[in-house]
Amino acid sequence: NAGVTQNPKFQVLKTGQSMTLQCAQDMNHNSMYWYRQDPGMGLRLIYYSASEGTTDKGEVPNGYNVSRLNKREFSLRLESAAPSQTSVYFCASSEWGGAKNIQYFGAGTRLSVL
Amino acid sequence: GENVEQHPSTLSVQEGDSAVIKCTYSDSASNYFPWYKQELGKRPQLIIDIRSNVGEKKDQRIAVTLNKTAKHFSLHITETQPEDSAVYFCAANSGYALNFGKGTSLLVTP
Repeated sequence: NAGVTQNPKFQVLKTGQSMTLQCAQDMNHNSMYWYRQDPGMGLRLIYYSASEGTTDKGEVPNGYNVSRLNKREFSLRLESAAPSQTSVYFCASSEWGGAKNIQYFGAGTRLSVL
Repeated sequence: GENVEQHPSTLSVQEGDSAVIKCTYSDSASNYFPWYKQELGKRPQLIIDIRSNVGEKKDQRIAVTLNKTAKHFSLHITETQPEDSAVYFCAANSGYALNFGKGTSLLVTP
């Protein structure tokens, strides 16, 4: 099993460009999450999907959209990238949320917006 | 929403010493408290977790304690080794999500 796979690993964008970050898991997990990690700020939740067909905003959703394409895949879209979105983005999945929320992380996407 | 505070932000210990990292949370409904370790350039990985029905859990050199009344939990690493050097994150669940502390950068010097 590959676990949680993210693509691409690195990306450089110009301000105003759009892109989609891809995430897929092969653990048959129900819940999936997108985080951003900035120096000194820890992991901040952007959006999550508790189960297939549902999505909810996290702590920092502005400037992002998500799609839970199916049980395996959860994508994050930046419609008009801004320098403030320069960050490392992690996707994670868990069997369920709440008290069964052991989250497994992907390797991350390092994004720079110029 | 849930607020998770983590201290200290940096910690330096000598090999063989113990390290303690402390976290507090605000949501009294939280019942799951994991700890993640992140090595430089790598993904966060779960090292230990505790649920609210127990007060302490151990796994070899790592232990976590939970005080639900005071809303704080701690990570204890004994007999530290250079490979323990990493950033450690605590977290607490709030509804379906996890809220993470800002991390502790642990340096173990030989």
